[in-house]
Amino acid sequence: GEDVEQSLFLSVREGDSSVINCTYTDSSSTYLYWYKQEPGAGLQLLTYIFSNMDMKQDQRLTVLLNKKDKHLSLRIADTQTGDSAIYFCAEENYGGSQGNLIFGKGTKLSVKP
Amino acid sequence: DAGITQSPRYKITETGRQVTLMCHQTWSHSYMFWYRQDLGHGLRLIYYSAAADITDKGEVPDGYVVSRSKTENFPLTLESATRSQTSVYFCASSSSGGNNEQFFGPGTRLTVL
Repeated sequence: GEDVEQSLFLSVREGDSSVINCTYTDSSSTYLYWYKQEPGAGLQLLTYIFSNMDMKQDQRLTVLLNKKDKHLSLRIADTQTGDSAIYFCAEENYGGSQGNLIFGKGTKLSVKP
Repeated sequence: DAGITQSPRYKITETGRQVTLMCHQTWSHSYMFWYRQDLGHGLRLIYYSAAADITDKGEVPDGYVVSRSKTENFPLTLESATRSQTSVYFCASSSSGGNNEQFFGPGTRLTVL
């Protein structure tokens, strides 16, 4: 079945780059997503990448997609304390219904000053 | 208010009681979802709905009931609450086209004593 795997924790120093990694299983996903969850809040879409792209850059965020290895990464440049949150990788689940997403367990990013 | 809202935000109940969590969205999105978030499990899909009067089970539907008589509302009912249903519940919605971005509500923290 579909599964999305990501490491649970990442700790970096303020100003460093953060790289959060994710592996997924469904090669038919049209889009892959990164969501951010701040404490006490719901998830918010951070960025997404179309499956025919290798890379997408949006200000401090860089998403890399390796379709052969089914590996997705999110790089945050110049990480700030405000980036501390849980980051979820998600793929689409066409085995269920259009619109369903399969989420990883989330990576908790801690940024130390 | 525009967007997706959940009520109540916090609820404490006792084992065996019936509880209904409300979700309302103002975008006329076709799809609506209910997730629970638990430590170590990430987000797990309980039920989803592709349109009014169409609902389907997700990964963990046992002990829950949903209905979708109107497009904008998607209530989740725990018919006889159990301690294992203590969790944070998130409702989400998405439109039927485009990149399937899901918009999340702020969550309901439910404690079953």
